Amino acid sequence: KNEVEQSPQNLTAQEGEFITINCSYSVGISALHWLQQHPGGGIVSLFMLSSGKKKHGRLIATINIQEKHSSLHITASHPRDSAVYICAVTDKLIFGTGTRLQVFP
Amino acid sequence: NAGVTQTPKFRILKIGQSMTLQCTQDMNHNYMYWYRQDPGMGLKLIYYSVGAGITDKGEVPNGYNVSRSTTEDFPLRLELAAPSQTSVYFCASMTVYNSPLHFGNGTRLTVT
Repeated sequence: KNEVEQSPQNLTAQEGEFITINCSYSVGISALHWLQQHPGGGIVSLFMLSSGKKKHGRLIATINIQEKHSSLHITASHPRDSAVYICAVTDKLIFGTGTRLQVFP
Repeated sequence: NAGVTQTPKFRILKIGQSMTLQCTQDMNHNYMYWYRQDPGMGLKLIYYSVGAGITDKGEVPNGYNVSRSTTEDFPLRLELAAPSQTSVYFCASMTVYNSPLHFGNGTRLTVT
């Protein structure tokens, strides 16, 4: 079993839909990171969380330390949100396998 | 700040050749990492460093070597390149464990 699990692996949505991507981990962590990678592109850090909730534009990230679970929400999704979303945990930098999101107009 | 800089962006190697992938950060970060990403797959840790002079193996270290003589630089050396090392290589860094991650733009390596 992977130490960091993401679900779903693939996600298709219509423009405007509310999106949720989940991340569960089984190790102790100092922080959890949400990352975005566009096809053929580099990796961009979206959020770093150690507790609670953070919001940036249409993106919201939450973490529940007791349940070892985090969610990334995208409100009013747009085709430009199409990308792979990856969660990662530290201290030992362990990555989930990613969620491939496609948003259609 | 330039952030994390990786060079080269692209490289084609013949089997058996060697090369060094460069990674430099100007943010005085302690922690630096090398990952490879195979097509359609997740990121796999090759080597990491928690500070100058300290390196350790990750999940897939075979065929690679690293050094960390300065805080800024963390080069990855490929000896005797093999087709299995065809991949995209990413360097990442952060200050401490609960600080934001910074990634380089990647090096796309093909071994033929």
